[in-house]
Amino acid sequence: KAGVTQTPRYLIKTRGQQVTLSCSPISGHRSVSWYQQTPGQGLQFLFEYFSETQRNKGNFPGRFSGRQFSNSRSEMNVSTLELGDSALYLCASSPGGRTSGEQYFGPGTRLTVT
Amino acid sequence: GESVGLHLPTLSVQEGDNSIINCAYSNSASDYFIWYKQESGKGPQFIIDIRSNMDKRQGQRVTVLLNKTVKHLSLQIAATQPGDSAVYFCAEIPSGNTPLVFGKGTRLSVIA
Repeated sequence: KAGVTQTPRYLIKTRGQQVTLSCSPISGHRSVSWYQQTPGQGLQFLFEYFSETQRNKGNFPGRFSGRQFSNSRSEMNVSTLELGDSALYLCASSPGGRTSGEQYFGPGTRLTVT
Repeated sequence: GESVGLHLPTLSVQEGDNSIINCAYSNSASDYFIWYKQESGKGPQFIIDIRSNMDKRQGQRVTVLLNKTVKHLSLQIAATQPGDSAVYFCAEIPSGNTPLVFGKGTRLSVIA
């Protein structure tokens, strides 16, 4: 079974621009979560989608948004990029139902904002 | 402040020795705890989990211990191998369908 895939793997953007990251979960998984990982703050939860609905949301500004499609694929968007948005963005999928700790992570998208 | 944290940011062990990675949590209502391993260039990988109604759970070469009295979680790795070198994160689910809260991570280095 194929794992979680994320595209692109690396991205360089300029302050003020916007970016869209994509995540394809494991086949059959209905829950997709997004995390931001930085050396200073560690792994921080952004949001979780289940069956196209946002189920949980972390403490991030409204510039961070996401969505999930009917095939469970998910995208996250960051508008008006700031230098502090430079991070590894991780997507994780799980079968669904109750929020699960057994999440399967993709390799991440490394975003650099200059 | 952070709900989940680690006692040591780095740990070096000799190959073949046992490793113990510790984690403290502050939310006494948390009922589910997980350990993840993250190798360089990869996303975190699920290792083992434990629910609050248990105090010990064993997997292949790994054991998780939960001490609810002092709100402490540990991961024991038996016969540590070079492939165990990674950053280890503990995480908790405070309750119900709330999202995972991750600790900062401990870097484990295995000395051959």
